[in-house]
Amino acid sequence: DGGITQSPKYLFRKEGQNVTLSCEQNLNHDAMYWYRQDPGQGLRLIYYSQIVNDFQKGDIAEGYSVSREKKESFPLTVTSAQKNPTAFYLCASSMQRDLSSYNEQFFGPGTRLTVL
Amino acid sequence: KNQVEQSPQSLIILEGKNCTLQCNYTVSPFSNLRWYKQDTGRGPVSLTIMTFSENTKSNGRYTATLDADTKQSSLHITASQLSDSASYICVVSARDMRFGAGTRLTVKP
Repeated sequence: DGGITQSPKYLFRKEGQNVTLSCEQNLNHDAMYWYRQDPGQGLRLIYYSQIVNDFQKGDIAEGYSVSREKKESFPLTVTSAQKNPTAFYLCASSMQRDLSSYNEQFFGPGTRLTVL
Repeated sequence: KNQVEQSPQSLIILEGKNCTLQCNYTVSPFSNLRWYKQDTGRGPVSLTIMTFSENTKSNGRYTATLDADTKQSSLHITASQLSDSASYICVVSARDMRFGAGTRLTVKP
């Protein structure tokens, strides 16, 4: 999975709880991303970060929060405000994030979150 | 409406047979198009990337084609193997990256 790790692989959350998904990369990539994957739909961008201490909302940021305190780490918190959080979450990284990037995004193995 | 449409949604073929997956897009302006392979419960892995000026790109038994005029791409898999069973995702980059929903391929012995 290209030097990107995600943990845990499976996560169960009770309604009303916040949970944090871990993403670490050792590829020395500047840009990192969080996607959500639902059956029958393409990946949707939640948040992305181009540099440490900076991040931007993607298409579906509501109910999620992120931090980028270190280049290697980009944790995602799924808050209780996210009404339908059950999904497969994928973290990715790339050397740069420019608007028409030829740079490949390398994906982690994913975390499957289930709300009980 | 998704800007990247893939067909078929799912496909079952016998081992050793060839198959072709389709990707139509409306994303504009176009920068590049990638095909990813995603095994069940894993992250996607890039197979090919093509820019506007490229018509075809091969990676082993995988051959991708691109017609930028009609905004269509295809991924052809030759002599399929059981390990080809996966979802294949078309991703088009313009101002941003737009992902297709994928084609689920099952190769049976």
